[in-house]
Amino acid sequence: EPEVTQTPSHQVTQMGQEVILRCVPISNHLYFYWYRQILGQKVEFLVSFYNNEISEKSEIFDDQFSVERPDGSNFTLKIRSTKLEDSAMYFCASNIVRVNEQYFGPGTRLTVT
Amino acid sequence: QKEVEQNSGPLSVPEGAIASLNCTYSDRVSQSFFWYRQYSGKSPELIMSIYSNGDKEDGRFTAQLNKASQYVSLLIRDSQPSDSATYLCAVVTGNQFYFGTGTSLTVIP
Repeated sequence: EPEVTQTPSHQVTQMGQEVILRCVPISNHLYFYWYRQILGQKVEFLVSFYNNEISEKSEIFDDQFSVERPDGSNFTLKIRSTKLEDSAMYFCASNIVRVNEQYFGPGTRLTVT
Repeated sequence: QKEVEQNSGPLSVPEGAIASLNCTYSDRVSQSFFWYRQYSGKSPELIMSIYSNGDKEDGRFTAQLNKASQYVSLLIRDSQPSDSATYLCAVVTGNQFYFGTGTSLTVIP
């Protein structure tokens, strides 16, 4: 069964460093998303991406964040200068049709020290 | 501010019982509704989707939607210990998915 994959599973970085989180969505899916979940809190929407551009973004997704689909399979989230409060699980998700069933990857745990 | 509210629990039910999970949402124009299960330290796993008023059944799971009351629920019949997890309600408005904080369910053997 096809699934969303994410790498790395755990990333530790120092405050102020740049990180890139990688995702491979399900191959025939067209809509891609990034979410974050701070420990013990709810899943929060960051950004949606369709047709090689951002569809929507939340207030969390400020200038420190960017997304890219550098080739036909990868979907990346870059955080330019990490802060302590960026420590969270970051989930990538995809769906084949807008507002349809969405499938999540296993997540990347980002720890900023 | 679009809100999705769930009782945080914990909800405890004995094995074999029916577990009832509830969710309310604030935005009347929300179109699509989903239930996810999340085990500790894992990603959300889709259980059910529901788009129109009424009930939708899938195995031991039944989702119920009442758009007039802005309410969606999930019933789990014949609850099993493996159902112990946090259940997330997700509501779609526009192209954004809004998640509740989740209800923690424990099924006691």
